[in-house]
Order: sequence, then C-alpha cells, then structure tokens
Amino acid sequence: NAGVMQNPRHLVRRRGQEARLRCSPMKGHSHVYWYRQLPEEGLKFMVYLQKENIIDESGMPKERFSAEFPKEGPSILRIQQVVRGDSAAYFCASSPLAVINEQFFGPGTRLTVL
Amino acid sequence: AQKVTQAQTEISVVEKEDVTLDCVYETRDTTYYLFWYKQPPSGELVFLIRRNSFDEQNEISGRYSWNFQKSTSSFNFTITASQVVDSAVYFCALEETGANNLFFGTGTRLTVIP
Repeated sequence: NAGVMQNPRHLVRRRGQEARLRCSPMKGHSHVYWYRQLPEEGLKFMVYLQKENIIDESGMPKERFSAEFPKEGPSILRIQQVVRGDSAAYFCASSPLAVINEQFFGPGTRLTVL
Repeated sequence: AQKVTQAQTEISVVEKEDVTLDCVYETRDTTYYLFWYKQPPSGELVFLIRRNSFDEQNEISGRYSWNFQKSTSSFNFTITASQVVDSAVYFCALEETGANNLFFGTGTRLTVIP
C-alpha cells in the first residue's frame, strides 16, 4: 500500500508564475490536509479537504492560493503569481476518516521562487 | 499564544549521550492528542508517536522514550545513547478535539556529534 505521494518533490518558479502542487492520498483515504513549512519554522495548517469539498481553509492566504480535491485524481494546491515569500516546503497529509490522529504525511514539495 | 512550545531551538550532544527534547502545550480541551515527528535532513516527516490525553503512561520504544505529564502540560522526548543518525529536527504537535489540523511547535534541531 503506497504512502501519500506528492509531486513534484522540488519545484522552481520565477516570480509571477504559477505553482501547482499535487498530492495523491493513501488508497482508501478521502481526507486531505495541506501544511506549509517556511524555512526554519514548524508546519502551519493551510486547508482541509474531502472529495470535492473544502471543509476548512482557515489557514489559507486569502489571495493567490487555492486548493481542490476532485472526485477523480489528486488534490491540487495552486499558487498563482508566486512571490519569494511563497518559498517553503508544502506537506500533504491524508486520513481515512475525519480523524486526524490517523493522518499520514507525504514527503513534501519544496518550492523555490527565484 | 503558542499552543505548542519547544523552547530548545538547537541542541548538540556527543554520540552516546542521552538527550531530552522538551515540549509544553496549551489547551482547554480535556481530550486531545500529542505527537512527535522527526524531520531528517532529507526533509520528510517521520511519525514517531501519538499519545491521547487519557493515557499518561510513559512509553518506551527502543532508545526512544516519552514522558507525558498532564500536571505540567508537558510531553518530553528522550533519546538514550544518541547516534549520529538521530540528527534531525524534531517537532511536537497537538490535536484538539474537533480541530481539523495539528498545531506544530517550531521544532528542535538536534545535532549528534560523532
């Protein structure tokens, strides 16, 4: 049973470009969580999604960031018009139920904005 | 206010020494979960332990042990006979009842010197 998969593992973008980060949850998991880790900091919650629904986006910046988890395919975290301050590691976690103590983390995507 | 405080930013020990990483948390919930994760230089998050608030028994897993003290809101992590491979950033995290996410501390960077 494959774990949570994230791709790409590393992503380089220039200021103003778009970044798309993908997360494939573990098989059978329908709940996905995105976290951001700024350099030298802990992880900060961004958004929680179930299939086709955003449940909690209280940690998501109001502009330029969006997330989706379609019925088919991976969850996508999209950052439009990236700025240097978006450089961070973005982690995805998944759980089989709305029970986050069972969540499993992916390896992360490291975004570098030049 | 920080929900999870890891006051030690960096710790260095010589191989084979014991080391304790401190974690103090803050919550009004009576039911909650506490976690420890390891983040090695490769960057992924490695789950170490999950403990619920009703289980105050200390836990030992090989060279790792955890001391949960509800009276002082602490969940400290001890590595016995440290090894170079233990060098990593260690994060403590809290899940509160009904929350959709984990609250992470800022991490403690442990360096084990050979």
